[in-house]
Amino acid sequence: QVQLVQSGAEVKKPGASVTVSCKASGSTFTSHHINWVRQATGQGPEWVGWMHPNSGDTGYGQKFQGRLTMTRNTSISTAYMALSSLTSEDTAVYYCTRGDSSGWSWGQGTLVTVSS
Amino acid sequence: DIQMTQSPSSLSASVGDRVTITCRASQGINNYLAWFQQKPGKAPKALIYGASSLQGGVPAKFSGSGSGTDFTLTISSLQPEDFATYYCQQYKSYPQTFGQGTKVEIK
Repeated sequence: QVQLVQSGAEVKKPGASVTVSCKASGSTFTSHHINWVRQATGQGPEWVGWMHPNSGDTGYGQKFQGRLTMTRNTSISTAYMALSSLTSEDTAVYYCTRGDSSGWSWGQGTLVTVSS
Repeated sequence: DIQMTQSPSSLSASVGDRVTITCRASQGINNYLAWFQQKPGKAPKALIYGASSLQGGVPAKFSGSGSGTDFTLTISSLQPEDFATYYCQQYKSYPQTFGQGTKVEIK
């Protein structure tokens, strides 16, 4: 089953942008969608968007349209999520996830804190 | 969007108890349902996929059932390490959506 390792915590000011990476190992990187999910403290998970690493096709949650970009570098099996125009409401732990024929894998999470 | 309604939102149980959590989808999702466990400050741990398939390395005390709109997660004999919050997740269609969670606490 795929293992997903994410980049470290980030602290950003309102209005800034953040990029979180997700490196896959143990399975073919390009075979299945990578999803991003976020979770604010004390809240349930919220789906952010998906990307197919082979084609680069993406789909974003409606509330993130216009400020979310998902990309990948297939040579290093890494997916990226970039979120711009950050506000305090974007403070959350961001997870990459992937499902395949053997189930779901989750990254360890990346805390993004937006604070002035 | 598909709404996922999970119940109960919390429960108190004793070690050794059998626990059942339910999840209802607002429309049919076939068996595109996963369950995961989350402990405070930790990443989710996948338990079940395809409504009833046990994730690798997950003990057999966890089981899932259901198809269409109604699903259950059962823990056959609750152990101290099982006290956590459990979520269901549908992946039939985007946006993926989650139940609101069930917090399992020690009685």
